[in-house]
Amino acid sequence: QSALTQPASVSGSPGQSITISCTGTSSDIGNYNYVSWYQQHPGKAPNVLIYDVSNRPSGVSNRFSGSKSGNTASLTISGLQAEDEGDYYCNSYTSTSTWVFGGGTKLTVL
Amino acid sequence: QLQLQESGPGLVKPSETLSLTCTVSSDSIRSSSYHWGWIRQPPGKGLEWIGNMYFGGSTYYNPSLKSRVTISADTSKNQFSLRLTSATAADTAVYYCVRRRTGSSWRDCWGQGTLVTVSS
Repeated sequence: QSALTQPASVSGSPGQSITISCTGTSSDIGNYNYVSWYQQHPGKAPNVLIYDVSNRPSGVSNRFSGSKSGNTASLTISGLQAEDEGDYYCNSYTSTSTWVFGGGTKLTVL
Repeated sequence: QLQLQESGPGLVKPSETLSLTCTVSSDSIRSSSYHWGWIRQPPGKGLEWIGNMYFGGSTYYNPSLKSRVTISADTSKNQFSLRLTSATAADTAVYYCVRRRTGSSWRDCWGQGTLVTVSS
């Protein structure tokens, strides 16, 4: 199975909105609503931001939102804050009952 | 509050077996509400799904690791384990044990992670 495709890096200024894309195939993102997004800060375990495409766990800021169109899922962060800087990973269920991650996106807050 | 704690050797010799255990507190691995699994992250690289198990159900593995990996449960200790045979330097990574809610992509609880280095 091939990793999902994410941009290696994105950046934005405080207060702006940014979107991170995650592109898969009809064997994963395109056929299942089991897409999740994780934030990871250096030296820490990942933390879930979004699950099942667009659901946000309690305690996660509503500045984070998820969506999907065709084979591509997206994570949008609005009102960018310095604390949002870190690495972001998407993850999807696949047609072989396995899971696959994206390569990760490094977010820089300018 | 649920906690997951990884344990095991931090150093493994090449060609030997990498073995880790995840101890689950405040919840039962027999619960039908959750799947239990492992995810790893080589130094400076991204996350890689290793596999997961569901008590009383099937176990699934990353195709690239399937020939070398086993995930199993010890219900008497409320633990689940990872075994990765024929370890190489490419298996050097931080290993996380993770809980995922059944019927969802929600991995709601992660261990702190443990670094395993494969080196002679």
